[in-house]
Amino acid sequence: DQQVKQNSPSLSVQEGRISILNCDYTNSMFDYFLWYKKYPAEGPTFLISISSIKDKNEDGRFTVFLNKSAKHLSLHIVPSQPGDSAVYFCAASQGAQKLVFGQGTRLTINP
Amino acid sequence: DVKVTQSSRYLVKRTGEKVFLECVQDMDHENMFWYRQDPGLGLRLIYFSYDVKMKEKGDIPEGYSVSREKKERFSLILESASTNQTSMYLCASKRLATTQYFGPGTRLLVL
Repeated sequence: DQQVKQNSPSLSVQEGRISILNCDYTNSMFDYFLWYKKYPAEGPTFLISISSIKDKNEDGRFTVFLNKSAKHLSLHIVPSQPGDSAVYFCAASQGAQKLVFGQGTRLTINP
Repeated sequence: DVKVTQSSRYLVKRTGEKVFLECVQDMDHENMFWYRQDPGLGLRLIYFSYDVKMKEKGDIPEGYSVSREKKERFSLILESASTNQTSMYLCASKRLATTQYFGPGTRLLVL
């Protein structure tokens, strides 16, 4: 029972272009969503989050969009840079409870 | 600056050995978590703890146990290591209703 799904295992984007990573969820009780970034041999680091009362949150080059009716969120990175190459995990929680993670998407930024 | 440390970055153990993975956080966080990360499966929650001496099973607790004798320390124990427990193990901590911070991970190989 995968409550949070990232259907694209990998994504390749040209440097300077926009990267769009997608995430779908099934539990309508989730009210807080996060994106984490992970480099090889390191722990995930928090990137950006959004509450279910919002539909957009922006932080520099990173924007997260939430579409509650479609149970879908996306992370936009613009412009993409080589240092953005990593595995990205979306996660969701209900209240202050434990996070449920997606499978991850490996983003590769090509020069 | 939040710091979550894990006792080892790499471990090699033999089948049947008892394995201890230690995690320490220095921010007085109430909640601590143990995950394993496997390709294509994302981060799966093994056990978590809301307070000292308290523990809750996550999604995949079989073959594992935990100990939280002090607030800053959360230990994961593999009672009898098996080859299917070869994985990256990640510890995390957080206060209630805040962002979760991860340690650098322990890559465990069971031969």
